[in-house]
Amino acid sequence: ETGVTQSPTHLIKTRGQQVTLRCSSQSGHNTVSWYQQALGQGPQFIFQYYREEENGRGNFPPRFSGLQFPNYSSELNVNALELDDSALYLCASSLHAVPYGYTFGSGTRLTVV
Amino acid sequence: AQTVTQSQPEMSVQEAETVTLSCTYDTSESDYYLFWYKQPPSRQMILVIRQEAYKQQNATENRFSVNFQKAAKSFSLKISDSQLGDAAMYFCAFSTFSGSRLTFGEGTQLTVNP
Repeated sequence: ETGVTQSPTHLIKTRGQQVTLRCSSQSGHNTVSWYQQALGQGPQFIFQYYREEENGRGNFPPRFSGLQFPNYSSELNVNALELDDSALYLCASSLHAVPYGYTFGSGTRLTVV
Repeated sequence: AQTVTQSQPEMSVQEAETVTLSCTYDTSESDYYLFWYKQPPSRQMILVIRQEAYKQQNATENRFSVNFQKAAKSFSLKISDSQLGDAAMYFCAFSTFSGSRLTFGEGTQLTVNP
């Protein structure tokens, strides 16, 4: 049974650019949640996808968008990058849209310069 | 909106001793879940323990146990017989019973001294 895989592990972008982060969910899981973890802080919920539909969104602007594919992998897209978008982005998958049974990935460290 | 507060940014413990990490939360919900997660340098969040609010009995997982005080909205984590591998950032988290998102605290960095 594979876990959650996120790519890339690190990347550096320039302010104003766009970025796409990817997440492969654990085998058998149909729900993916994305979290932003700024340095020295706890993760904050961005949004969740359940069976390819958005199923809840946190307090993030529309330039944060996502997608879930039929194989339940997911993408997080961020447009018009700002310096404050620099953070660790964590993906977590689960079976059904429940708050337990999450498997987290190791995250993508995004630096915006 | 729910909030989770961890008032101890850093804690340290000697190997083999016991340490308690504190967490308080605020919610108007009556049914919810509480969690403790561990985040080692590998960055992957690992579930340590889970408590359902409707259960009066405190959850226990091997060396990890919680003290859940619902009226006081307090949820502390006790680590017994601390090991070097317990060193990590620990996060307290909350979720409503019907929801699917986690609300995390700011974290407590635990150091285990040999």
